[in-house]
Amino acid sequence: NAGVTQTPKFQVLKTGQSMTLQCAQDMNHEYMSWYRQDPGMGLRLIHYSVGAGITDQGEVPNGYNVSRSTTEDFPLRLLSAAPSQTSVYFCASRDGGAEVFFGQGTRLTVV
Amino acid sequence: SQKIEQNSEALNIQEGKTATLTCNYTNYSPAYLQWYRQDPGRGPVFLLLIRENEKEKRKERLKVTFDTTLKQSLFHITASQPADSATYLCASYSSASKIIFGSGTRLSIRP
Repeated sequence: NAGVTQTPKFQVLKTGQSMTLQCAQDMNHEYMSWYRQDPGMGLRLIHYSVGAGITDQGEVPNGYNVSRSTTEDFPLRLLSAAPSQTSVYFCASRDGGAEVFFGQGTRLTVV
Repeated sequence: SQKIEQNSEALNIQEGKTATLTCNYTNYSPAYLQWYRQDPGRGPVFLLLIRENEKEKRKERLKVTFDTTLKQSLFHITASQPADSATYLCASYSSASKIIFGSGTRLSIRP
């Protein structure tokens, strides 16, 4: 099993550009989430999904969209990148239990 | 709002000593708390889960306690080693579907 796979690992965007961060898991997990991690602020939940076709907002959803058309994939879209979105993004998944499995992260810089 | 707080941003201790990290929760009563380890440039990795009806749980050199009166969990690493140096994150459910994290404590073990 590859676990949770995120692409790309690094990305530089210009202000106003859009892009999609990809996330895939091969563990057949129902729950998937996106977090951003900033220095001193820990992991903050952006969006999450409890199954295919179902998504909801977390703590900091503004400027981001998600969709969950399959169990495996949970892409995160930045609609119009802003410097405040410079961060490290983590995709995560879990089954009905509590243990969360994380991807390796995407380091995004918006200039 | 429901919060998980790790008040110590950093902790430096000498090899061989016991490291003790603190996690406090406010505005709710979680059914369990989890601890994760995060190394630089990588996603968090699950270590331990303790339920509210468990006072203490151990795994090798790790020990976690859960005090519902103090609204606190303590995470101990005994006989600490330089390889234990990492950031440790506390986490729990904020609702049935959402898991929230504290900001983490960066632990450094000096030889």
